[in-house]
Amino acid sequence: ENVLTQSPGTLSLSPGERATLSCRASQSVSSSYLAWYQQKPGQAPRLLIYGTSSRATGIPDRFSGSESGTDFTLTISRLEPEDFAVYYCQQYGSSLTWTFGQGTKVEIK
Amino acid sequence: EVQLVQSGAEVKKPGKSLKISCKVSGYSFTTSWIGWVRQMPGKGLEWMGIIYPGDSDIRYSPSFQGQVTLSVDKSISTAYLQWSSLKASDTAMYYCARLLGQHYFQNWGQGTLVTVSS
Repeated sequence: ENVLTQSPGTLSLSPGERATLSCRASQSVSSSYLAWYQQKPGQAPRLLIYGTSSRATGIPDRFSGSESGTDFTLTISRLEPEDFAVYYCQQYGSSLTWTFGQGTKVEIK
Repeated sequence: EVQLVQSGAEVKKPGKSLKISCKVSGYSFTTSWIGWVRQMPGKGLEWMGIIYPGDSDIRYSPSFQGQVTLSVDKSISTAYLQWSSLKASDTAMYYCARLLGQHYFQNWGQGTLVTVSS
């Protein structure tokens, strides 16, 4: 089973700052199959990024994704007030399995 | 507009059965996988299983195999998640989601809160 470990657990930043979230896989992940979701309190998750770096429909370009080996990164270039939320990475693996990371909370400093 | 509308919150006693629903609109129901995701109180997201409405092909997460049953009713574009005997540990929010390809959870329902308590 491929385990996704997200870091940090909590990121305390101010609006306008840059946020860098990490997702490390215990095994190789195809870059085609790594996604990021945003979840605000009381809401369902929302797909932000798929295929490591492709933005989902309607997602602003301050959100970007990248990879380096088994390390994947979600970057929010300049935090807006509505960006404070929990972010999850997710990978699609072989044999039709899906795995989520444990989440990173981005909170207002 | 793609919409997934889930049934309302449920409060059940341990040992009881339950079936919750996810009605979709805005796309052809039989052409996209539907997945179910659990979120226990204050916790993260867990994939439970997915079903392809076109032929009812199902994949269960090993963690949920034998614990839940997925099904669909194509005539009313609705997917279901059911339990035959609930446990207190089933207390959680349950989301249905339409998959993008087979890989990503693209469109989400609003969630169904299930509370199991004696």
